[in-house]
Parts: sequence; C-alpha cells; structure tokens
Amino acid sequence: KAGVTQTPRYLIKTRGQQVTLSCSPISGHRSVSWYQQTPGQGLQFLFEYFSETQRNKGNFPGRFSGRQFSNSRSEMNVSTLELGDSALYLCASSLVWGNEQYFGPGTRLTVT
Amino acid sequence: DAKTTQPTSMDCAEGRAANLPCNHSTISGNEYVYWYRQIHSQGPQYIIHGLKNNETNEMASLIITEDRKSSTLILPHATLRDTAVYYCIVRLRPIKAAGNKLTFGGGTRVLVKP
Repeated sequence: KAGVTQTPRYLIKTRGQQVTLSCSPISGHRSVSWYQQTPGQGLQFLFEYFSETQRNKGNFPGRFSGRQFSNSRSEMNVSTLELGDSALYLCASSLVWGNEQYFGPGTRLTVT
Repeated sequence: DAKTTQPTSMDCAEGRAANLPCNHSTISGNEYVYWYRQIHSQGPQYIIHGLKNNETNEMASLIITEDRKSSTLILPHATLRDTAVYYCIVRLRPIKAAGNKLTFGGGTRVLVKP
C-alpha cells in the first residue's frame, strides 16, 4: 500500500507570496492532519480534516488555511508569506478514529 | 492533553536495550500514552501506544507504571537505524470529540553508537 505523499518536496518563495501544498493520504484513510515543524517551535499542529470538514484547528493565524476534497486529498495554503513561515510542513493520514497516524515526508518551504 | 517530560538526549550502545523514560504525572484516566519517533529528515513514525497494561509489538515494548504517572519505551536490541528523536505523547483516544490531533513535546534525541 502506498504511503502518504506530499508535493512538492521543496519550495522556495518570496515574502508576501502565497503557497499551496498538497497531501495525498493512504488509500482508505479519511482523516488528514497538517503540522508545521521548525527548529525553534518543534512540531506544531495546524489543522485536521475529515469528510471535507475541518474538525480541529491549532493556534495559527488565519493566513494558514486548508481544505479536503471528496477523495480525501488535502491542500493547505499559506497567504502573505513571512520569513517565519519557513518550515517543514508535514501531513499525516489515519483512519477515522485511528490510533496510528502515518506521516508523509513533508514539504520543506523556504521563504526569502 | 496531559503534559509529558522526557530527557533531552541519551546514548545507547548498538545491540543493547534502549530504555526511554517519560513522565506524565497529570495524566487522566481516559488518556493514552503514545510513542512516535522521527528519524532525521523524515516524517514521524508511530511506534506503540497503551492505556495501563504493558504493550509489545514488533518495534518496541511499552511499560506503564501502575499509577500511570510514567512510562518507559523499550527498544530491545537497538540498531544504528534507531537513531532518532522519540516523542512521548499523552492524549485521549481518537474519538469523535478528540479527533486525531497530536501534541508533540521536545522529545528525546537518541543516538545509537556502534
């Protein structure tokens, strides 16, 4: 069974731009969560989607948004990029009430 | 979710057992203990979870004290590939209200040496 895939793997953007990251969960998994990882703050929860609905949200500004499609694929968007948004963005998928979450390799975003 | 405390780092000899402690003194009765690890440049990987009984799978064993205020993850025969940051997480079982959110702390950086 294929794992969680994230595209692109690397991205360089300029301050003020916006970016869209994509995540394809494991087949059959309907829950998708997003995390941001930085050296200073560690792994922080962004949001979780299930059945195209956001059911949990972390403490991030409104510039961070996401959505989930009917096939469970998910995207997250960051608008008006800031230098501090440079991070590894990780996507995780699981069964609806799954104990195990499966993480993708992440998208490394660099904002210059 | 209850807060956890883990040592910042520890070394382990290849082939020996690695015992990773975690304190979670404020854990509530319906919270589980989960362990994940993150190998450099990869996404976190689920290892094991438990409520109050000891658990074992192909990767590791989880020992939870009787009062549930602490636990130990045991890697029975550490290999160089077990070098990673190990995270102990305490959370409600993923039921409807709790969702699947994981709250990561700083973790323990484990270095397995030859």
